[in-house]
Amino acid sequence: QKEVEQNSGPLSVPEGAIASLNCTYSDRGSQSFFWYRQYSGKSPELIMSIYSNGDKEDGRFTAQLNKASQYVSLLIRDSQPSDSATYLCAVNRRDSNYQLIWGAGTKLIIKP
Amino acid sequence: DVKVTQSSRYLVKRTGEKVFLECVQDMDHENMFWYRQDPGLGLRLIYFSYDVKMKEKGDIPEGYSVSREKKERFSLILESASTNQTSMYLCASRPPAGGRTDTQYFGPGTRLTVL
Repeated sequence: QKEVEQNSGPLSVPEGAIASLNCTYSDRGSQSFFWYRQYSGKSPELIMSIYSNGDKEDGRFTAQLNKASQYVSLLIRDSQPSDSATYLCAVNRRDSNYQLIWGAGTKLIIKP
Repeated sequence: DVKVTQSSRYLVKRTGEKVFLECVQDMDHENMFWYRQDPGLGLRLIYFSYDVKMKEKGDIPEGYSVSREKKERFSLILESASTNQTSMYLCASRPPAGGRTDTQYFGPGTRLTVL
């Protein structure tokens, strides 16, 4: 089992709909969770971080964390073609304040 | 804005060559990272540095070494390049733990091809 798992996609969503991206992790000791967006040929950039169970909203983005079930998700409301990218889930290593374990990413395509 | 720069966007080298990848950040961050990114495998940590002259091995350090002589600069060295080191190399930096943010800021990446 991979430490951080994501569906590779591609996930195709119509413009204006809600895109739902999921990530599961194996280490129950992880405390910090991140979603990064990576456009083709570009480097990752942080979209959301979440540390507590529940939802965290930032504009059109909502991160959801469920530590008991060991999953974290990202919802994108009113999806736009500019949201088309690969979304990377990252989780901190239990024994490190600095190091992250990364999922392989989910490719999201927003169709106009 | 945090700026992380890498010395080259594209690099082509031959098997057995010694390769230097340079990374510079301008935010006085203590922590710097070198990753490689391959399709289907995500980002894998090669080395991490938490201060000048301090380094820790990541998940895949074999065939690589690093140097951190100044706080702003973190270099990745491929001692003898091999074809399986063809990849995208990403450098990142972040502020110390306990600060206002734990975001990792990435450079633009270096796509290395070893022939």
